[in-house]
Amino acid sequence: KQEVTQIPAALSVPEGENLVLNCSFTDSAIYNLQWFRQDPGKGLTSLLLIQSSQREQTSGRLNASLDKSSGRSTLYIAASQPGDSATYLCAARSSGGYNKLIFGAGTRLAVHP
Amino acid sequence: NAGVMQNPRHLVRRRGQEARLRCSPMKGHSHVYWYRQLPEEGLKFMVYLQKENIIDESGMPKERFSAEFPKEGPSILRIQQVVRGDSAAYFCASSPPSTVAYEQYFGPGTRLTVT
Repeated sequence: KQEVTQIPAALSVPEGENLVLNCSFTDSAIYNLQWFRQDPGKGLTSLLLIQSSQREQTSGRLNASLDKSSGRSTLYIAASQPGDSATYLCAARSSGGYNKLIFGAGTRLAVHP
Repeated sequence: NAGVMQNPRHLVRRRGQEARLRCSPMKGHSHVYWYRQLPEEGLKFMVYLQKENIIDESGMPKERFSAEFPKEGPSILRIQQVVRGDSAAYFCASSPPSTVAYEQYFGPGTRLTVT
């Protein structure tokens, strides 16, 4: 059974810092992994999707990596800004059940000026 | 192209009442998924539907919850005889009929409060 864990649960950093959010999953037979952003009281915005055959994906200041053998993914945010403040969720899609996303509990990020 | 639409955005029900949550997928999408997010928790899969068919309901509570996606109209998540523990944000996602990535696009959610 796939389980997804995210650490840290919360993070507070000054503006301009580079930071790393961690996601681990128990079943290495994943189809792909997706990172989302959730603003308070809002829906989810997809940030990056990494297929199981890929090692990383980049979009602007965001870079996500995937290491299936160790069961880990990281989201790297460069030069953080106050507008990056949100909850970041990772979700794994298993090869045996790719119709459903298994979510972590999220990392709540606060970037202060 | 409008995104996934959910209504109502906020719903208040008293214990014992029924809650009906609606989801209109993105244009051209025929697959719908429902997820529930309890306070301070991640999203949990509930059910996956295609038009007129329930494909996977492994995350649905055994009682009081049902879902449908009729040939015409939005998908409906129905909760009968609501209890305080049903208070949560319910998110709908949709995906096109065939996609390699199976990427899901999420709506803004319906926040259900049971008093």
